[in-house]
Amino acid sequence: DAGVIQSPRHEVTEMGQEVTLRCKPISGHNSLFWYRQTMMRGLELLIYFNNNVPIDDSGMPEDRFSAKMPNASFSTLKIQPSEPRDSAVYFCASSLGVGRALNEQFFGPGTRLTVL
Amino acid sequence: DQQVKQNSPSLSVQEGRISILNCDYTNSMFDYFLWYKKYPAEGPTFLISISSIKDKNEDGRFTVFLNKSAKHLSLHIVPSQPGDSAVYFCAASGATSGSARQLTFGSGTQLTVLP
Repeated sequence: DAGVIQSPRHEVTEMGQEVTLRCKPISGHNSLFWYRQTMMRGLELLIYFNNNVPIDDSGMPEDRFSAKMPNASFSTLKIQPSEPRDSAVYFCASSLGVGRALNEQFFGPGTRLTVL
Repeated sequence: DQQVKQNSPSLSVQEGRISILNCDYTNSMFDYFLWYKKYPAEGPTFLISISSIKDKNEDGRFTVFLNKSAKHLSLHIVPSQPGDSAVYFCAASGATSGSARQLTFGSGTQLTVLP
């Protein structure tokens, strides 16, 4: 298995532009999580899906952020319009969601976003 | 309010010696704890976990200890190797509605193992 796949790996954009981050979870995993890592706040959960349905988006910073999961193998995190303070590494993770594996999440390599 | 705290941002240890990374939590509803390791430019990778019904879990050179009364857990690495140099995140999980479980992460500890 290729693991969790994220694209792009690096994104540099200008303030005000729309940014779309993409994630392909591990096949068979039914839970998907979006995290943001910054020096100030560490690794914080933005939103997670279970069986493609958003369960908790309380971590989404503001309305400029939105996430979708149209099917079990794809999710997007969109920022519109982007701001310099959105600069961070964004991670996607997935988990099997049953039994003991319920707790273990597998992370993608992350997308490093820089908003100028 | 940080529910999972790693108070040491960095730790340096000599190769072959023991590394002890600490983590404290405040939420008594947490019942499962995990350690993740992260190398630069990579995502965190799962290392070891422990359920709240246990006080110790061992996997090779890695052992996690849980002290529920103190709301404290620690990760022991023996012997430490230069390849263990990474950021270590403590994470905790508790019962939530639905089948998905959220992880709450600590801020991480940078471990450097000196050759």
